[in-house]
Amino acid sequence: LAKTTQPISMDSYEGQEVNITCSHNNIATNDYITWYQQFPSQGPRFIIQGYKTKVTNEVASLFIPADRKSSTLSLPRVSLSDTAVYYCLVGDGTGRRALTFGSGTRLQVQP
Amino acid sequence: EAGVAQSPRYKIIEKRQSVAFWCNPISGHATLYWYQQILGQGPKLLIQFQNNGVVDDSQLPKDRFSAERLKGVDSTLKIQPAKLEDSAVYLCASSLSRLGQGNTEAFFGQGTRLTVV
Repeated sequence: LAKTTQPISMDSYEGQEVNITCSHNNIATNDYITWYQQFPSQGPRFIIQGYKTKVTNEVASLFIPADRKSSTLSLPRVSLSDTAVYYCLVGDGTGRRALTFGSGTRLQVQP
Repeated sequence: EAGVAQSPRYKIIEKRQSVAFWCNPISGHATLYWYQQILGQGPKLLIQFQNNGVVDDSQLPKDRFSAERLKGVDSTLKIQPAKLEDSAVYLCASSLSRLGQGNTEAFFGQGTRLTVV
């Protein structure tokens, strides 16, 4: 299983763009990169998933360089409600194997 | 679309007692997961079912934990007897997991917070 490394915590202010980088040096050819968000007292919630280059949805963007050994989750113009723990996960492309969560990045957004 | 339902939301038991958690996944989701999340840590997979078969239970403490998924739909996770270190949130998740179509999104329930005293 590819291991991921991400910062333990980050601070930001409302309206700023936040970039959380995750390193996954041992990513396998058929692995996808997935990010989840977790608020206190709730289960994790899917944010975005990608394989290479750039993926964008209504919530975030995911940037993946050509070597795929890292990825960056970009949250545009964060608000107080984006305060949460963000998990970077790497898993096989078959969907058969469950994703492994690390400790995540605790994002604190200040007013 | 209805989400993953879990019950109870909270449970307090004494050590050495038994406890059971129930999960109803999203309709049509073939894959069901149970995770354990200790305060301050990421979720840890306990067991993964594909329909009613076990795919991965390598991290399930089988001397005290058991899980089943009857008819490939609902699932129960049981702890017997409970220890103090079992205090955690137990999360159930489900996904479509169509083979060959990349990782599919896992939908999580709100979890059951277990306190063992």
